[in-house]
Amino acid sequence: GESVGLHLPTLSVQEGDNSIINCAYSNSASDYFIWYKQESGKGPQFIIDIRSNMDKRQGQRVTVLLNKTVKHLSLQIAATQPGDSAVYFCAGTNAGNMLTFGGGTRLMVKP
Amino acid sequence: NAGVTQTPKFRVLKTGQSMTLLCAQDMNHEYMYWYRQDPGMGLRLIHYSVGEGTTAKGEVPDGYNVSRLKKQNFLLGLESAAPSQTSVYFCASRQPGRTGYTFGSGTRLTVV
Repeated sequence: GESVGLHLPTLSVQEGDNSIINCAYSNSASDYFIWYKQESGKGPQFIIDIRSNMDKRQGQRVTVLLNKTVKHLSLQIAATQPGDSAVYFCAGTNAGNMLTFGGGTRLMVKP
Repeated sequence: NAGVTQTPKFRVLKTGQSMTLLCAQDMNHEYMYWYRQDPGMGLRLIHYSVGEGTTAKGEVPDGYNVSRLKKQNFLLGLESAAPSQTSVYFCASRQPGRTGYTFGSGTRLTVV
């Protein structure tokens, strides 16, 4: 069946280091993928998206890489800051063009 | 500049009680969604709407009903609450052709 999942439930990084959060997906027909950030007690916040016809997309301090060969998606955060501490979700479109969300990775930034 | 507003933010229900969760958006978005989020799991789609007067079932619709009488509002109803419906509920909206969903801050519902 269709699924979007993340490799690790928790990622701990030192402030200032780069963070890499990974995600695997099963639906090769997904049109696009989105990364969301969710802080405690808040709703998911859009970070960045990538269309399936792209391999890489960059934003402010974030880069998303898409490897369609192995159905893998990653979010890279440069110079991780304490404010980056949150749960990160990847999501991809399914057959009905609805978003399917992964279980989330909790990023913890150590000072 | 409100975006998506959900009310109430917290609620405790007894098994068998009913309630309605309200979602309001001021961005003139066509599409609206209701999700639930359970510990350790991603968001799961309950129901959605692609326009005023239309609704459709998502991944986990059982036990819920929805209505979209006005474009800016999307209501989620629980007719007879069950403990399995204890969850955090998120509403979201977006425009057709745009990838970005705007989420509300959630409603934490506990059914005892």
